[in-house]
Amino acid sequence: GAGVSQSPSNKVTEKGKDVELRCDPISGHTALYWYRQSLGQGLEFLIYFQGNSAPDKSGLPSDRFSAERTGGSVSTLTIQRTQQEDSAVYLCASSGRGRGGNEQFFGPGTRLTVL
Amino acid sequence: AQTVTQSQPEMSVQEAETVTLSCTYDTSESDYYLFWYKQPPSRQMILVIRQEAYKQQNATENRFSVNFQKAAKSFSLKISDSQLGDAAMYFCAVQGAGSYQLTFGKGTKLSVIP
Repeated sequence: GAGVSQSPSNKVTEKGKDVELRCDPISGHTALYWYRQSLGQGLEFLIYFQGNSAPDKSGLPSDRFSAERTGGSVSTLTIQRTQQEDSAVYLCASSGRGRGGNEQFFGPGTRLTVL
Repeated sequence: AQTVTQSQPEMSVQEAETVTLSCTYDTSESDYYLFWYKQPPSRQMILVIRQEAYKQQNATENRFSVNFQKAAKSFSLKISDSQLGDAAMYFCAVQGAGSYQLTFGKGTKLSVIP
């Protein structure tokens, strides 16, 4: 079956502009995660959805970052007034359940470049 | 809080040889899971192997195996008979049993020399 997909694959934007990153999880997966991977760094957890609810938003770096999930499926990560330090690869993952060591299946990521 | 340390930023191995990637972690959870993920240049993270901390037996998946030392909080990955397709970034991660997020190390870049 289809894996996790993300769009766009690459996004170049100017400082101060808003961007939206999209994630389509594996069908039937109730848990969805966003991570950020900066150059030379590991993956930094941003937010987790169980269904359409986000129990923990504490990983979001600032109030410029927001995310939503609709219909228990597609999720959008929005970054307002982008800054150069937002440049990174944004990875989305999904799993059948949120806890219990379930494998998280990752998408190919969106590479965001803020000029 | 959880932390994961991968002390080898880069490693190389001859094709068909064996290589071991190191990982140490710290967690306050009494029950947790450990993972190794592979990230090739395509960026897509792929699960290599998973270990449940309450199981003493080391996990194995074909050419991949782990050496899990719970008391030392060490979780190394051994790749046997290395292949060119094994070249990638490898990330170690920990997840508390009651948690949902993975905490990753900074990764080890593995090169395979033909």
